[in-house]
Amino acid sequence: QKEVEQNSGPLSVPEGAIASLNCTYSDRGSQSFFWYRQYSGKSPELIMFIYSNGDKEDGRFTAQLNKASQYVSLLIRDSQPSDSATYLCAVGNTNAGKSTFGDGTTLTVKP
Amino acid sequence: DAGVTQSPTHLIKTRGQQVTLRCSPISGHKSVSWYQQVLGQGPQFIFQYYEKEERGRGNFPDRFSARQFPNYSSELNVNALLLGDSALYLCASSLRRGGETQYFGPGTRLLVL
Repeated sequence: QKEVEQNSGPLSVPEGAIASLNCTYSDRGSQSFFWYRQYSGKSPELIMFIYSNGDKEDGRFTAQLNKASQYVSLLIRDSQPSDSATYLCAVGNTNAGKSTFGDGTTLTVKP
Repeated sequence: DAGVTQSPTHLIKTRGQQVTLRCSPISGHKSVSWYQQVLGQGPQFIFQYYEKEERGRGNFPDRFSARQFPNYSSELNVNALLLGDSALYLCASSLRRGGETQYFGPGTRLLVL
């Protein structure tokens, strides 16, 4: 079992819809949680981070964290074609000195 | 402010050769982490350095080594290259420790023939 699991997709949503991306993790010692966006051929770009249980909103993006369930999600409201990319979930453990990534979910937003 | 920089951007090597990849972190950041990303997978953690000391190591063979310099820049060395080492090598910069918020450079794409 991978330490960080994501649905590989592809996830396809129409323009203007809400895209929901999910991630589960196994390391209960993890303290920090990240979502990165990666366009094809490019490096990952940080879009959200969350440290505490609950929701965190930034523009059209909302990250949700439930440590008891070891579950992190990302909601993208009013999805745009430019949101089409692979979304990587990462889980950080400062005691181990590393972040562990899932394999990503590919999102396609259709005009 | 400049972001994370990496050099070279692309590299072609043959099996058995050695390669050195370079990274400069964001100004003020003292930690550098290295990742390997093969097509279709997420980045795999290789090393984390903070204050010139190795603070974390992933499950990679001893052919992989790294170091951090007094100006916090870093080098990743890979010896005895194998075809399977072909990947995008990513450097990430953070303020202090691995596991914190980190920002990636553009990566070095290595092709081993």
